[in-house]
Amino acid sequence: GNSVTQMEGPVTLSEEAFLTINCTYTATGYPSLFWYVQYPGEGLQLLLKATKADDKGSNKGFEATYRKETTSFHLEKGSVQVSDSAVYFCALKPGNNRLAFGKGNQVVVIP
Amino acid sequence: DTAVSQTPKYLVTQMGNDKSIKCEQNLGHDTMYWYKQDSKKFLKIMFSYNNKELIINETVPNRFSPKSPDKAHLNLHINSLELGDSAVYFCASSQDLHEQYFGPGTRLTVT
Repeated sequence: GNSVTQMEGPVTLSEEAFLTINCTYTATGYPSLFWYVQYPGEGLQLLLKATKADDKGSNKGFEATYRKETTSFHLEKGSVQVSDSAVYFCALKPGNNRLAFGKGNQVVVIP
Repeated sequence: DTAVSQTPKYLVTQMGNDKSIKCEQNLGHDTMYWYKQDSKKFLKIMFSYNNKELIINETVPNRFSPKSPDKAHLNLHINSLELGDSAVYFCASSQDLHEQYFGPGTRLTVT
């Protein structure tokens, strides 16, 4: 089946630190991959996406590259801000409408 | 000009009651969804409608019944509420197979 695995546990880091959140997936065919962000008390917002192998999605300083050989879509940001504190979800969508979400990672950025 | 809106934002009710959550999207999308997010932030799809027709119906108790009066609205009715129904419920919409846009969520607390 289709599934997404995110690294366990919250991520706490200092402002201006480098952020990486790992995401690996299992899918049949060629899914599209997404990162969604959920700020406190809000709904999910699409952060970035990639629709085919080697595509790089980027937005607000975040980047993720669709790696078919390692079935990964890791999220990175070079210098985080306090305002980046949120929950980040990796997701995949195969050919149908069914988005499969990872469990999410809480990111806390300390000033 | 909110894209996907939900009402109410908060809902506190007692066990055994029946309640409804409403969702409206003004994006002109043809597909709408309901998700449940538990206390650990895990997101699970419940239902999806495409042009008022049910296309995804996950393993959800039949106390939950979605209704789509038109393609801009998808309501969720819950009968005989139980403690375990406490969660945040998100509505989302998409056009065809493109990315999903989420509402702000409804926090349901059953006492």
